[in-house]
Amino acid sequence: QVQLQESGPGLVKPSETLSLTCTVSGGSVSSGSYYWSWIRQPPGKGLEWIGYIYYSGSTNYNPSLKSRVTISVDTSKNQFSLKLSSVTAADTAVYYCARGLTTVTTTPGYWGQGTLVTVSS
Amino acid sequence: DIQMTQSPSSVSASVGDRVTITCRASQGISSWLAWYQQKPGKAPKLLIYAASSLQSGVPSRFSGSGSGTDFTLTISSLQPEDFATYYCQQANSRGLTFGGGTKVEIK
Repeated sequence: QVQLQESGPGLVKPSETLSLTCTVSGGSVSSGSYYWSWIRQPPGKGLEWIGYIYYSGSTNYNPSLKSRVTISVDTSKNQFSLKLSSVTAADTAVYYCARGLTTVTTTPGYWGQGTLVTVSS
Repeated sequence: DIQMTQSPSSVSASVGDRVTITCRASQGISSWLAWYQQKPGKAPKLLIYAASSLQSGVPSRFSGSGSGTDFTLTISSLQPEDFATYYCQQANSRGLTFGGGTKVEIK
């Protein structure tokens, strides 16, 4: 069974770049034709899709965040990463990484436990 | 962008009640609709995918229906562990969108 674990700084200063990594176990990010997603949830609010990367390296981002987001894969470490630039307090949220349920769907079926990132000086 | 509208935003119910949550898409999405359950401090858990397919390990009291723009999640007999927030989510070529959530509370 695939497992995902987010890691990264819990505190980021305004205007800086948020960087998170998702480590995958029980599967490979570079094979299997899966979609690997990042999703976030501000405290007390709903879920917001940030973007996903396909195993081939192609990406798709939420239009509202597209100018600030980069998702990439590090096959040597079996990880994928999120970078969100020019952050503000509105980017404070729990950030989840996830994998598509099957090889033919982007629907996240397997999720990490989430990591809280606070944007504050 | 496709908008997903859930209703109600909250519902109070008792153990054993039948609970129905609806989700409406701003344009047709065929059957590309999923439902999640989220408990406080936990990651969302996939319940239903492809509008009506039950995810492995999910109790059969959960069911989903619909296609096009209108979808429904039904809990046939509410159990104590079902008190949580539920989200719908659509998937198309442009990406994913979640509904605003429905909180199922104890009456």
